[in-house]
Amino acid sequence: NAGVTQTPKFQVLKTGQSMTLQCAQDMNHNSMYWYRQDPGMGLRLIYYSASEGTTDKGEVPNGYNVSRLNKREFSLRLESAAPSQTSVYFCASTQTGAVTEAFFGQGTRLTVV
Amino acid sequence: QKEVEQNSGPLSVPEGAIASLNCTYSDRGSQSFFWYRQYSGKSPELIMFIYSNGDKEDGRFTAQLNKASQYVSLLIRDSQPSDSATYLCAVPPGGGNKLTFGTGTQLKVEL
Repeated sequence: NAGVTQTPKFQVLKTGQSMTLQCAQDMNHNSMYWYRQDPGMGLRLIYYSASEGTTDKGEVPNGYNVSRLNKREFSLRLESAAPSQTSVYFCASTQTGAVTEAFFGQGTRLTVV
Repeated sequence: QKEVEQNSGPLSVPEGAIASLNCTYSDRGSQSFFWYRQYSGKSPELIMFIYSNGDKEDGRFTAQLNKASQYVSLLIRDSQPSDSATYLCAVPPGGGNKLTFGTGTQLKVEL
């Protein structure tokens, strides 16, 4: 049982490049989330998807886009990467909204130079 | 006011002592409260959740909830070096799907 799988684990981008972070869960969860984690800032919500076909902005959505491709997959796209987007990105999923346990992927360490 | 607030620490306690971690939240409609532990370089993992006012105990961990004061805490008894980690409080807003975390408190248990 893989749980939540994120790819890639590490990535270095040049300013202005684009990339997509992939996330898939095999727990049949309805809700999925993307967070970024910076030193001293905790987990900040970028976007979330309460159910297949819906997405909503979180606390820090600027510079990002998301796609809930199906119930399993929720991708995060950086169209034009900036150094300020250097961070660790986590994908998470929950069974029913935010009121149940969240399961996290292993994280993606992104550096934008 | 941030939705979920925690002291960033670090909180240092000697081995065997009680560690007390605190969290306040702004949405009075919140119904569920979670504590996650995150080791350095790892993903967060759930250690406790609480829905009702009062205390909930699970082994060395006790979660305390006071909805009137909008306050939730985590007590770790007989602290061990392996408890050294960052502890994240999560308080979903009432009726919403947005899972919001505090900034986390770094705990250091010293030998």
